[in-house]
Amino acid sequence: GAVVSQHPSWVICKSGTSVKIECRSLDFQATTMFWYRQFPKQSLMLMATSNEGSKATYEQGVEKDKFLINHASLTLSTLTVTSAHPEDSSFYICSVTIGQWDGYTFGSGTRLTVV
Amino acid sequence: SQKIEQNSEALNIQEGKTATLTCNYTNYSPAYLQWYRQDPGRGPVFLLLIRENEKEKRKERLKVTFDTTLKQSLFHITASQPADSATYLCALGPGGYNKLIFGAGTRLAVHP
Repeated sequence: GAVVSQHPSWVICKSGTSVKIECRSLDFQATTMFWYRQFPKQSLMLMATSNEGSKATYEQGVEKDKFLINHASLTLSTLTVTSAHPEDSSFYICSVTIGQWDGYTFGSGTRLTVV
Repeated sequence: SQKIEQNSEALNIQEGKTATLTCNYTNYSPAYLQWYRQDPGRGPVFLLLIRENEKEKRKERLKVTFDTTLKQSLFHITASQPADSATYLCALGPGGYNKLIFGAGTRLAVHP
């Protein structure tokens, strides 16, 4: 499978500020990356599908102006949480897949805490 | 709407026994089903994929069954070890480079 690096692994920010999370595919050119959010003891919820060179596709209920996704190259997608609020505190994870019948490779996740 | 159910209660078993986890789904006809392991504070790790036309899949001590009539998958870990303690997630996919839908996971605790 692919190797995915996600950074930072944790971040604490003040309410109203913006935070950028990076997801890198180290050994695979990913035209598509997926961004998930996970609250404690809950399932992973897909936020958006990041497409290289084009706009991301957001899931219903996810504010695209708040969660900015940029997929400028085949190896890097970024998620920026703008004007963060305490309710945005969560575990954010990116993933890629190398093939239709292959599993998805996930990053190690980013724990965001907004204070 | 599509729904995936995994036992929310933790499964506690003795080392050496077989752990069996259940994944049920409704309002969906997946092309495949996947199982992942997730440790606290980490991203999920892919374990197995089983296609809709497959009944059973094995990988080392792991075995997955898929019954599309019952809309259920069973995940077995034989000769369980304390190192197998983690949360196990099932996920359904329609095929292609498309999104996965995840269950909430079942926490497995293997006691020595």
